[in-house]
Amino acid sequence: NAGVMQNPRHLVRRRGQEARLRCSPMKGHSHVYWYRQLPEEGLKFMVYLQKENIIDESGMPKERFSAEFPKEGPSILRIQQVVRGDSAAYFCASSPEETGGYTFGSGTRLTVV
Amino acid sequence: EDKVVQSPLSLVVHEGDTVTLNCSYEVTNFRSLLWYKQEKKAPTFLFMLTSSGIEKKSGRLSSILDKKELFSILNITATQTGDSAVYLCAGTAYSGAGSYQLTFGKGTKLSVIP
Repeated sequence: NAGVMQNPRHLVRRRGQEARLRCSPMKGHSHVYWYRQLPEEGLKFMVYLQKENIIDESGMPKERFSAEFPKEGPSILRIQQVVRGDSAAYFCASSPEETGGYTFGSGTRLTVV
Repeated sequence: EDKVVQSPLSLVVHEGDTVTLNCSYEVTNFRSLLWYKQEKKAPTFLFMLTSSGIEKKSGRLSSILDKKELFSILNITATQTGDSAVYLCAGTAYSGAGSYQLTFGKGTKLSVIP
């Protein structure tokens, strides 16, 4: 079991470009969560998805951010027209059910220059 | 707004010392408290605590929850350099929008020196 796989590990984007972050949950896990960790801050919830459904996006910024978890393939967190303030580590976690006992991926560190 | 506060923010100890990390929480619809160890990669799960007063142990690590005082501690005895990491505490709650969310503290950075 390869665990939760995130890629890329590091991503550099210029202001105004798009960033796509991928997350493949653990085998058998159908619940995916995205968290953002800003410098000097704790992990903050962004969105919770099940296959083909966004269940809770209460932590997502209203603009430029979107997430999906298609029937086939990884979950994608998409950030359009990135700004410097989007620079952070983005962690994905998965669980077999919505109990909160997550397994985290290694994260994608996004740097906007 | 839900809040989790960890203290101290950073701690430097010598190998063999015992440390206690603190976590206080204010989480609506609280379900459980989780401890994670974060090195230069993914946070790795340590403990899930749901009941007050029941100590969970794993080797040199132990943790306990006080739901009356809204508090948890993580103890590490006979520390080793491999214990150096950021220790994250998180409260879980049912969000009412179909998910259990974690509210994380900022972490305690533990450095163990030989």
